[in-house]
Amino acid sequence: NAGVTQTPKFRVLKTGQSMTLLCAQDMNHEYMYWYRQDPGMGLRLIHYSVGEGTTAKGEVPDGYNVSRLKKQNFLLGLESAAPSQTSVYFCASSYRTGGNYNEQFFGPGTRLTVL
Amino acid sequence: KQEVTQIPAALSVPEGENLVLNCSFTDSAIYNLQWFRQDPGKGLTSLLLIQSSQREQTSGRLNASLDKSSGRSTLYIAASQPGDSATYLCAVRGSSYKLIFGSGTRLLVRP
Repeated sequence: NAGVTQTPKFRVLKTGQSMTLLCAQDMNHEYMYWYRQDPGMGLRLIHYSVGEGTTAKGEVPDGYNVSRLKKQNFLLGLESAAPSQTSVYFCASSYRTGGNYNEQFFGPGTRLTVL
Repeated sequence: KQEVTQIPAALSVPEGENLVLNCSFTDSAIYNLQWFRQDPGKGLTSLLLIQSSQREQTSGRLNASLDKSSGRSTLYIAASQPGDSATYLCAVRGSSYKLIFGSGTRLLVRP
């Protein structure tokens, strides 16, 4: 049981380049999330998904797109990277039991630098 | 708009001391509150989750309490160890799907 995994761990891009971050979870969770963590700003939600084939915007969605074609995978895309997107990106997943939302489990993060 | 505050921002204690980390939130309409630990350069590790109907949760040397009416939660760490040194984050979940995070408390436990 690997939990939540993220690929790649590190990446350096030039302004204008594109890339996709992959998140995978093997816990059969319905909900998946993408956050970014920046010094002084804390963790902020970019996009999230409540099930296969669904996505929704979080707090800071501009410049990012996401897809959830399979339940276990959640992809975050940067179409044209900007220096302001330099950050550490975390993926998380969670599930619901009856009326209770359960804990979110986080991946190890992807450190992205945009030059 | 929900805001989460953690005090203190940093804490340094000698090994063996019992300590309390504080988390406050402005909107009491929450589904749950989660405490995390983050080591430098690493991801977040979930420590405890308290549902809105619960008052406290315990795991080993950790005890977290929740007082929704006053908008407060505390994380109690008993008999602290150098290995407890990390940043501790609290996060609340409201009616939307997102977690709102505090800025964290950096804990250093000195041998």
